[in-house]
Amino acid sequence: EVQLLESGGGLVQPGGSLRLSCAASGFTFSYYAMTWVRQAPGRGLEWVSSISGSGGSTYYADSVKGRFTISRDNSKNTLYLQINILRAEDTAVYHCAKDGRYADPTTPPDYWGQGTLVIVSS
Amino acid sequence: QSALTQPASVSGSPGQSITISCTGTSSDVGNYNLVSWYQHHPGKAPKLMIYEGTKRPSGVSDRFSGSKSGNTASLTISGLQAEDEADYYCCSYAGSSTYVFGTGTKVTVL
Repeated sequence: EVQLLESGGGLVQPGGSLRLSCAASGFTFSYYAMTWVRQAPGRGLEWVSSISGSGGSTYYADSVKGRFTISRDNSKNTLYLQINILRAEDTAVYHCAKDGRYADPTTPPDYWGQGTLVIVSS
Repeated sequence: QSALTQPASVSGSPGQSITISCTGTSSDVGNYNLVSWYQHHPGKAPKLMIYEGTKRPSGVSDRFSGSKSGNTASLTISGLQAEDEADYYCCSYAGSSTYVFGTGTKVTVL
């Protein structure tokens, strides 16, 4: 059974940083691209970032480019999202998700975690 | 990276059929057969209902079906049941290893 468990969310001041983690199990982690998706309060789902199975290629939404860094440790079956220079509009539930088919991000996710809440507020 | 357009809400009575549209552009929905649909109950993990436009994952009821015409994908729920009440999102591959989600549709069972 595929399981994805996010952690690392919390309350942070504007301009601050957090590192989110996602522990994966139930599949061969390195075979699949992985993705972060967020949902701000009262808003819809928004693609944030994806990473190839090897970790060698990363992709970002324009809204987070330059502030967020996605990475993975295939030896630990763990996905990360380093989020810096946080803004109020980054307040959201952050979900990690396993991509559908390949090691490169081309097929939308098939399994998701429940998410971790990030609140940016002074 | 503009969001795909979905109706904000759709409702139906038990047993009826409803259809949710997802309109994109020739750069995303219209260019790839890579649209997925998700059922999302707030506070829970989104659940994949349809992938590659028309395919159903194992375990998903055959009351759910997907289709696409041009730049618009659609999700149809037949024989609507109370348990289908949730938010539904489409998602399309948008090229260059990026994805775009729909604006979301709240389904209400009357």
